[in-house]
Amino acid sequence: RKEVEQDPGPFNVPEGATVAFNCTYSNSASQSFFWYRQDCRKEPKLLMSVYSSGNEDGRFTAQLNRASQYISLLIRDSKLSDSATYLCVVLDTGRRALTFGSGTRLQVQP
Amino acid sequence: EPEVTQTPSHQVTQMGQEVILRCVPISNHLYFYWYRQILGQKVEFLVSFYNNEISEKSEIFDDQFSVERPDGSNFTLKIRSTKLEDSAMYFCASSESWTGGNNQPQHFGDGTRLSIL
Repeated sequence: RKEVEQDPGPFNVPEGATVAFNCTYSNSASQSFFWYRQDCRKEPKLLMSVYSSGNEDGRFTAQLNRASQYISLLIRDSKLSDSATYLCVVLDTGRRALTFGSGTRLQVQP
Repeated sequence: EPEVTQTPSHQVTQMGQEVILRCVPISNHLYFYWYRQILGQKVEFLVSFYNNEISEKSEIFDDQFSVERPDGSNFTLKIRSTKLEDSAMYFCASSESWTGGNNQPQHFGDGTRLSIL
């Protein structure tokens, strides 16, 4: 079983749409969770950390369900500039290494 | 905003040659990392470094790899005898403290594209 699993997409949505990405992780001891975005052939850039209570940053909302080992990212009012690959990233207890999912590709269309 | 910088942006090397990739982490950060991403694949952890020693390494980080902090600002990854399969994007990252504490994020440099011929 993959450590961090994501639907690869692509998700093709019109501008202004709301889109949700899901991610599951296999290690129940995982303790820190993040969403990064990656543009084509660029570095991963931190989008937001994910907290147990859920958190929001502008148009972006992240949720964590530890019981189901499930993380989600909701993007409201999609912009063309949101087109990228969204990476679900997990840190396991006792490690300093991030484990990346393969990413979900989003294409926002005019 | 402070950022992680990497040089060179693109390195082309003959198979079997040694290559050194350079990184300048964010100045007040204490933890440093190398990751790689083979084209079309996911980002993979190589090694973490703290207090002038390796904290953790993956199975990818075999004897041909080494890391060093030669001075107060640079952090290098050396590949001793490159193979074709070492072709990838190599990302350096740093964090202020251990990522596991308080969800401290790792900040990535823009990468070095390594092409082995």
